[in-house]
Amino acid sequence: KQEVTQIPAALSVPEGENLVLNCSFTDSAIYNLQWFRQDPGKGLTSLLLIQSSQREQTSGRLNASLDKSSGRSTLYIAASQPGDSATYLCAVGYSGAGSYQLTFGKGTKLSVIP
Amino acid sequence: DTEVTQTPKHLVMGMTNKKSLKCEQHMGHRAMYWYKQKAKKPPELMFVYSYEKLSINESVPSRFSPECPNSSLLNLHLHALQPEDSALYLCASSRAGLAVTYNEQFFGPGTRLTVL
Repeated sequence: KQEVTQIPAALSVPEGENLVLNCSFTDSAIYNLQWFRQDPGKGLTSLLLIQSSQREQTSGRLNASLDKSSGRSTLYIAASQPGDSATYLCAVGYSGAGSYQLTFGKGTKLSVIP
Repeated sequence: DTEVTQTPKHLVMGMTNKKSLKCEQHMGHRAMYWYKQKAKKPPELMFVYSYEKLSINESVPSRFSPECPNSSLLNLHLHALQPEDSALYLCASSRAGLAVTYNEQFFGPGTRLTVL
């Protein structure tokens, strides 16, 4: 059974700092990995998607890397802003019971202090 | 259009009520999903529909009844719910088929359900 772990569970940083969120997974037989952002009481916003054949993806101040063989991904946020405060979820896409599924980590709650 | 819509945004119901949640997408996706998310927890998969057929039911109680009337719509019928069923219910969609290597799930904003 695929298990996804995110470290740290919570992170508080001053505005302008660069930061790294970590995600690890137990089964390397994955299709892809998605990073999501979730604001309190809201739905999930997809930030980056990395296919299993890729090493990294970039979008603006965000950069996500994937090392499938070691079962790890990182989300790098440059020059953090208060608006980045949210919970960041890592989800691994894989084949389960004949369908494409996601398994989520428990998330990292990020607070960026002005 | 990369949007998944869900209605209603908020729902309050009693334990004897019958209500339905609705989800719609127009991206041509043939896989649709229901998730349940409790506060401070990650989303938990409930059901998966692939080509309008139920392919995964994660041992969800029968008081939750999914329906996929066509390729764009997904419903979740609710009956005789318990207070512990109060949660955010999220709908998602993606291209179906394991042969589709470039897949991605798109999520709706969710329905906040409160059971009294």
